[in-house]
Amino acid sequence: DTEVTQTPKHLVMGMTNKKSLKCEQHMGHRAMYWYKQKAKKPPELMFVYSYEKLSINESVPSRFSPECPNSSLLNLHLHALQPEDSALYLCASSHVSRPGDGYTFGSGTRLTVV
Amino acid sequence: QKEVEQNSGPLSVPEGAIASLNCTYSDRGSQSFFWYRQYSGKSPELIMFIYSNGDKEDGRFTAQLNKASQYVSLLIRDSQPSDSATYLCAVNTDKLIFGTGTRLQVFP
Repeated sequence: DTEVTQTPKHLVMGMTNKKSLKCEQHMGHRAMYWYKQKAKKPPELMFVYSYEKLSINESVPSRFSPECPNSSLLNLHLHALQPEDSALYLCASSHVSRPGDGYTFGSGTRLTVV
Repeated sequence: QKEVEQNSGPLSVPEGAIASLNCTYSDRGSQSFFWYRQYSGKSPELIMFIYSNGDKEDGRFTAQLNKASQYVSLLIRDSQPSDSATYLCAVNTDKLIFGTGTRLQVFP
């Protein structure tokens, strides 16, 4: 299995809603990442998990809450988002000891906040 | 200074030509370098990586790295309309940082 699976593919939520994005991989990767990508911009790193522990938080607002319940799963919990948070949210994974192999990206969740 | 810089384009080339995409980076400690292709509305797809100075070829793609000049390039030979996409240069230090991407248009 060489895929990173993200669900849902599309999500529309109100500013008072709570929702979660899910990411799953079965490649034995122990590093997992959340990126945010706005239209016509490059992906921007949000969070890095290494061996299920949060290792990097790129000063992301607390309305985004990541969780890594096990080595295959990564969640992003969303609460009280703003319309400017609308974007494509990408999950990626890689080997911890071989980051030079590159990251494998999921197909993304397109989030619209109304 | 941005960490990873690319010309945003668009770069327009005719079908069958060589497309040349360039990238510079600021962190001299960077060890690994990647080219991702991203079609509109899709996620990035890894097409090449390079660690050592010089050229690395894979099919129609050649990546070139010059660490002294902090410069990475991607050549696409025999360009096809299906190569039309945004090409993202990425540099890995302790995390993967992307350039702004170059939009490539290959016209028939």
